[in-house]
Amino acid sequence: SAVISQKPSRDICQRGTSLTIQCQVDSQVTMMFWYRQQPGQSLTLIATANQGSEATYESGFVIDKFPISRPNLTFSTLTVSNMSPEDSSIYLCSTDRANYGYTFGSGTRLTVV
Amino acid sequence: AQTVTQSQPEMSVQEAETVTLSCTYDTSESDYYLFWYKQPPSRQMILVIRQEAYKQQNATENRFSVNFQKAAKSFSLKISDSQLGDAAMYFCAYRSADGGSEKLVFGKGTKLTVNP
Repeated sequence: SAVISQKPSRDICQRGTSLTIQCQVDSQVTMMFWYRQQPGQSLTLIATANQGSEATYESGFVIDKFPISRPNLTFSTLTVSNMSPEDSSIYLCSTDRANYGYTFGSGTRLTVV
Repeated sequence: AQTVTQSQPEMSVQEAETVTLSCTYDTSESDYYLFWYKQPPSRQMILVIRQEAYKQQNATENRFSVNFQKAAKSFSLKISDSQLGDAAMYFCAYRSADGGSEKLVFGKGTKLTVNP
Protein backbone atom coordinates (compact mmCIF):
# COMPACT_ATOMS: atom_id res chain seq x y z
CA SER A 1 0.00 0.00 0.00
CA ALA A 2 1.00 3.63 -0.42
CA VAL A 3 2.99 5.57 2.19
CA ILE A 4 1.77 9.07 3.00
CA SER A 5 3.83 11.81 4.61
CA GLN A 6 1.67 14.41 6.30
CA LYS A 7 2.78 17.69 7.82
CA PRO A 8 2.67 19.48 10.09
CA SER A 9 2.11 16.88 12.76
CA ARG A 10 0.65 19.46 15.08
CA ASP A 11 0.11 23.18 15.33
CA ILE A 12 -1.38 25.76 17.63
CA CYS A 13 -2.99 28.61 15.76
CA GLN A 14 -4.69 31.87 16.56
CA ARG A 15 -8.36 32.21 15.74
CA GLY A 16 -9.02 33.96 12.47
CA THR A 17 -5.88 32.62 10.80
CA SER A 18 -5.48 29.78 8.29
CA LEU A 19 -3.41 26.60 8.28
CA THR A 20 -2.42 24.52 5.28
CA ILE A 21 -1.83 20.80 5.75
CA GLN A 22 0.18 18.88 3.19
CA CYS A 23 0.15 15.24 2.19
CA GLN A 24 2.73 13.62 -0.06
CA VAL A 25 2.19 10.09 -1.35
CA ASP A 26 5.09 7.89 -2.41
CA SER A 27 3.27 6.77 -5.56
CA GLN A 28 0.61 8.05 -7.93
CA VAL A 29 -2.94 7.69 -6.69
CA THR A 30 -6.22 8.69 -8.25
CA MET A 31 -8.14 9.90 -5.24
CA MET A 32 -7.17 11.41 -1.97
CA PHE A 33 -9.49 11.88 0.97
CA TRP A 34 -9.47 14.38 3.79
CA TYR A 35 -11.00 13.49 7.16
CA ARG A 36 -11.62 15.37 10.36
CA GLN A 37 -11.56 13.66 13.73
CA GLN A 38 -12.93 15.80 16.52
CA PRO A 39 -11.76 15.03 20.07
CA GLY A 40 -12.94 11.60 21.16
CA GLN A 41 -14.90 11.10 17.96
CA SER A 42 -14.75 9.02 14.82
CA LEU A 43 -13.52 10.16 11.42
CA THR A 44 -15.74 12.31 9.25
CA LEU A 45 -15.01 12.78 5.56
CA ILE A 46 -14.50 16.41 4.58
CA ALA A 47 -13.92 16.00 0.86
CA THR A 48 -12.55 13.82 -1.91
CA ALA A 49 -9.81 15.24 -4.10
CA ASN A 50 -9.36 13.97 -7.63
CA GLN A 51 -6.45 15.25 -9.65
CA GLY A 52 -7.46 17.75 -12.30
CA SER A 53 -10.94 18.46 -11.00
CA GLU A 54 -12.66 20.31 -8.18
CA ALA A 55 -12.81 18.51 -4.88
CA THR A 56 -16.13 17.00 -3.88
CA TYR A 57 -17.29 18.15 -0.45
CA GLU A 58 -19.49 16.27 1.98
CA SER A 59 -22.56 17.79 3.52
CA GLY A 60 -21.63 20.37 6.12
CA PHE A 61 -18.25 21.22 4.59
CA VAL A 62 -17.70 24.05 2.12
CA ILE A 63 -14.86 25.03 -0.16
CA ASP A 64 -14.49 28.52 1.33
CA LYS A 65 -13.75 27.04 4.74
CA PHE A 66 -11.71 24.01 3.58
CA PRO A 67 -10.12 24.74 0.20
CA ILE A 68 -8.27 21.76 -1.23
CA SER A 69 -5.61 21.58 -3.90
CA ARG A 70 -4.57 18.53 -5.89
CA PRO A 71 -1.89 19.71 -8.33
CA ASN A 72 -0.66 16.20 -9.26
CA LEU A 73 -1.18 12.52 -8.54
CA THR A 74 1.11 12.42 -5.50
CA PHE A 75 0.27 15.58 -3.56
CA SER A 76 -2.64 17.36 -1.93
CA THR A 77 -3.22 20.17 0.54
CA LEU A 78 -6.10 21.06 2.82
CA THR A 79 -6.43 24.57 4.19
CA VAL A 80 -8.48 25.29 7.28
CA SER A 81 -9.50 28.92 6.86
CA ASN A 82 -10.56 31.62 9.30
CA MET A 83 -10.15 29.21 12.17
CA SER A 84 -12.18 29.14 15.35
CA PRO A 85 -11.77 26.94 18.45
CA GLU A 86 -14.43 24.60 16.99
CA ASP A 87 -11.92 23.67 14.28
CA SER A 88 -9.62 22.10 16.85
CA SER A 89 -9.38 18.51 15.63
CA ILE A 90 -7.13 15.95 14.08
CA TYR A 91 -7.06 16.16 10.30
CA LEU A 92 -6.03 13.11 8.28
CA CYS A 93 -5.46 12.49 4.63
CA SER A 94 -5.93 9.10 3.06
CA THR A 95 -5.75 7.23 -0.19
CA ASP A 96 -6.51 3.79 -1.56
CA ARG A 97 -4.51 1.76 -4.03
CA ALA A 98 -5.84 -1.22 -5.90
CA ASN A 99 -8.79 -1.63 -3.55
CA TYR A 100 -6.52 -3.21 -0.99
CA GLY A 101 -7.05 -0.92 1.90
CA TYR A 102 -6.81 2.70 2.73
CA THR A 103 -3.56 4.22 3.90
CA PHE A 104 -3.62 7.23 6.16
CA GLY A 105 -1.20 10.01 6.89
CA SER A 106 -0.05 10.34 10.47
CA GLY A 107 -2.51 13.15 11.13
CA THR A 108 -2.28 16.82 12.04
CA ARG A 109 -3.40 17.78 15.52
CA LEU A 110 -4.72 21.32 15.29
CA THR A 111 -5.45 23.47 18.32
CA VAL A 112 -7.07 26.87 17.80
CA VAL A 113 -6.73 29.36 20.63
CA ALA B 1 -26.78 6.00 2.84
CA GLN B 2 -24.67 3.39 4.51
CA THR B 3 -24.19 3.46 8.26
CA VAL B 4 -21.82 1.61 10.56
CA THR B 5 -22.63 0.95 14.21
CA GLN B 6 -20.24 -0.06 16.95
CA SER B 7 -22.31 -0.67 20.04
CA GLN B 8 -19.41 -1.01 22.49
CA PRO B 9 -17.82 2.35 23.32
CA GLU B 10 -15.27 0.62 25.56
CA MET B 11 -14.02 -2.91 26.09
CA SER B 12 -11.31 -4.39 28.28
CA VAL B 13 -9.44 -7.67 28.17
CA GLN B 14 -6.75 -9.38 30.18
CA GLU B 15 -3.42 -9.89 28.52
CA ALA B 16 -3.29 -13.23 26.66
CA GLU B 17 -7.09 -13.52 26.63
CA THR B 18 -9.47 -13.21 23.69
CA VAL B 19 -11.83 -10.32 23.01
CA THR B 20 -14.48 -9.70 20.36
CA LEU B 21 -15.45 -6.25 19.11
CA SER B 22 -18.86 -5.86 17.49
CA CYS B 23 -19.81 -4.03 14.32
CA THR B 24 -23.04 -3.92 12.36
CA TYR B 25 -23.76 -2.00 9.20
CA ASP B 26 -26.68 -1.03 7.08
CA THR B 27 -26.58 -1.13 3.29
CA SER B 28 -28.73 -2.05 0.34
CA GLU B 29 -25.70 -2.99 -1.75
CA SER B 30 -24.61 -6.55 -2.38
CA ASP B 31 -20.94 -5.89 -3.04
CA TYR B 32 -18.76 -3.91 -0.68
CA TYR B 33 -15.67 -4.01 1.52
CA LEU B 34 -15.40 -3.98 5.28
CA PHE B 35 -12.39 -2.97 7.33
CA TRP B 36 -11.15 -2.82 10.87
CA TYR B 37 -8.71 -0.05 11.69
CA LYS B 38 -6.67 0.44 14.83
CA GLN B 39 -5.77 3.90 16.12
CA PRO B 40 -3.27 3.94 19.00
CA PRO B 41 -2.56 7.14 20.94
CA SER B 42 -0.07 8.09 18.23
CA ARG B 43 -3.26 8.67 16.14
CA GLN B 44 -1.88 6.74 13.15
CA MET B 45 -4.68 4.77 11.49
CA ILE B 46 -3.50 1.21 10.94
CA LEU B 47 -5.37 -1.30 8.79
CA VAL B 48 -5.96 -4.45 10.83
CA ILE B 49 -8.03 -6.60 8.50
CA ARG B 50 -10.11 -6.39 5.35
CA GLN B 51 -13.07 -8.43 4.08
CA GLU B 52 -14.69 -8.52 0.66
CA ALA B 53 -18.42 -9.07 0.88
CA TYR B 54 -18.45 -11.59 -1.97
CA LYS B 55 -16.08 -13.87 -0.08
CA GLN B 56 -17.75 -16.25 2.33
CA GLN B 57 -14.50 -17.15 4.04
CA ASN B 58 -13.72 -15.02 7.06
CA ALA B 59 -10.52 -12.99 6.83
CA THR B 60 -7.65 -13.77 9.20
CA GLU B 61 -4.44 -11.88 9.94
CA ASN B 62 -2.32 -13.59 12.58
CA ARG B 63 -4.09 -13.03 15.92
CA PHE B 64 -6.91 -11.06 14.30
CA SER B 65 -9.91 -12.68 12.68
CA VAL B 66 -13.40 -11.61 11.72
CA ASN B 67 -16.81 -13.19 11.88
CA PHE B 68 -18.57 -11.90 8.79
CA GLN B 69 -22.28 -12.58 8.69
CA LYS B 70 -23.56 -11.00 5.49
CA ALA B 71 -27.22 -11.75 6.00
CA ALA B 72 -27.12 -10.29 9.49
CA LYS B 73 -24.89 -7.40 8.31
CA SER B 74 -22.49 -8.13 11.10
CA PHE B 75 -18.69 -7.89 11.05
CA SER B 76 -17.08 -8.59 14.41
CA LEU B 77 -13.35 -8.60 15.14
CA LYS B 78 -11.77 -11.24 17.34
CA ILE B 79 -8.39 -10.58 18.90
CA SER B 80 -6.71 -13.69 20.28
CA ASP B 81 -3.84 -13.78 22.76
CA SER B 82 -4.28 -10.06 23.47
CA GLN B 83 -1.12 -8.05 23.93
CA LEU B 84 -0.50 -4.72 25.64
CA GLY B 85 0.23 -3.21 22.24
CA ASP B 86 -3.31 -4.01 21.12
CA ALA B 87 -4.65 -1.24 23.34
CA ALA B 88 -6.14 1.36 21.01
CA MET B 89 -9.31 2.69 19.44
CA TYR B 90 -10.73 0.27 16.91
CA PHE B 91 -12.88 1.53 14.06
CA CYS B 92 -15.05 -0.55 11.79
CA ALA B 93 -15.44 0.89 8.30
CA TYR B 94 -17.48 0.26 5.17
CA ARG B 95 -16.72 1.00 1.57
CA SER B 96 -18.98 0.51 -1.39
CA ALA B 97 -17.65 -1.55 -4.29
CA ASP B 98 -19.31 0.94 -6.61
CA GLY B 99 -16.45 2.59 -8.45
CA GLY B 100 -17.95 6.02 -7.92
CA SER B 101 -18.13 5.77 -4.14
CA GLU B 102 -14.70 5.08 -2.76
CA LYS B 103 -15.02 6.85 0.56
CA LEU B 104 -14.92 5.01 3.85
CA VAL B 105 -17.80 5.24 6.30
CA PHE B 106 -16.65 4.76 9.88
CA GLY B 107 -18.33 3.60 13.05
CA LYS B 108 -17.88 5.59 16.25
CA GLY B 109 -15.14 3.33 17.51
CA THR B 110 -14.45 1.03 20.44
CA LYS B 111 -11.74 1.83 22.95
CA LEU B 112 -9.90 -1.35 23.88
CA THR B 113 -7.94 -1.55 27.12
CA VAL B 114 -5.58 -4.46 27.72
CA ASN B 115 -4.90 -5.21 31.37
CA PRO B 116 -1.59 -6.83 32.37
